[in-house]
Amino acid sequence: GNSVTQMEGPVTLSEEAFLTINCTYTATGYPSLFWYVQYPGEGLQLLLKATKADDKGSNKGFEATYRKETTSFHLEKGSVQVSDSAVYFCALNDGGATNKLIFGTGTLLAVQP
Amino acid sequence: DTAVSQTPKYLVTQMGNDKSIKCEQNLGHDTMYWYKQDSKKFLKIMFSYNNKELIINETVPNRFSPKSPDKAHLNLHINSLELGDSAVYFCASREQGNSPLHFGNGTRLTVT
Repeated sequence: GNSVTQMEGPVTLSEEAFLTINCTYTATGYPSLFWYVQYPGEGLQLLLKATKADDKGSNKGFEATYRKETTSFHLEKGSVQVSDSAVYFCALNDGGATNKLIFGTGTLLAVQP
Repeated sequence: DTAVSQTPKYLVTQMGNDKSIKCEQNLGHDTMYWYKQDSKKFLKIMFSYNNKELIINETVPNRFSPKSPDKAHLNLHINSLELGDSAVYFCASREQGNSPLHFGNGTRLTVT
């Protein structure tokens, strides 16, 4: 079945460092891809999405490009801030009759001042 | 104006008790979900309703019973609570198709 694999955390960075969180997927067809962020004590919020190959989703300085050839959707940010500390989830739309969202295991990002 | 709201935010109870978590969304979405997040942050889908009709029922013990009185509400009732039920439970909703999920802030259930 469809699945999402993302790098294990925690990822610890200093402020203004470059961030990459890897995400790869296994799917039949071309599902929509998402990144969600979960701040401490809160629910998940959509960070960005891409619906077809070569689409680039972007929001709040974060970017991710839908790469069909490598089945990847890596999350990047050029300069992280302490306020970016959170858990980041990669997800894909399963499609079909249920159309459920399948999440990766989450990656904890800790940004130190 | 909270889009997806869950109550209670915290729930502490003893093994064997029965408890309910309520969820309401004011977004006009057709589909609602319950997810369980364990201590390692892993998210597992439990149930989904589309317009009051159950469409997803993952491998969940039958002690868990969802109820959707209308498309804006999806409640979760849990019978005979066990220690392993301790987790954060998230309600979510979405429009049809590939639209993103909107999550509530979660209910932290602790079973002692």
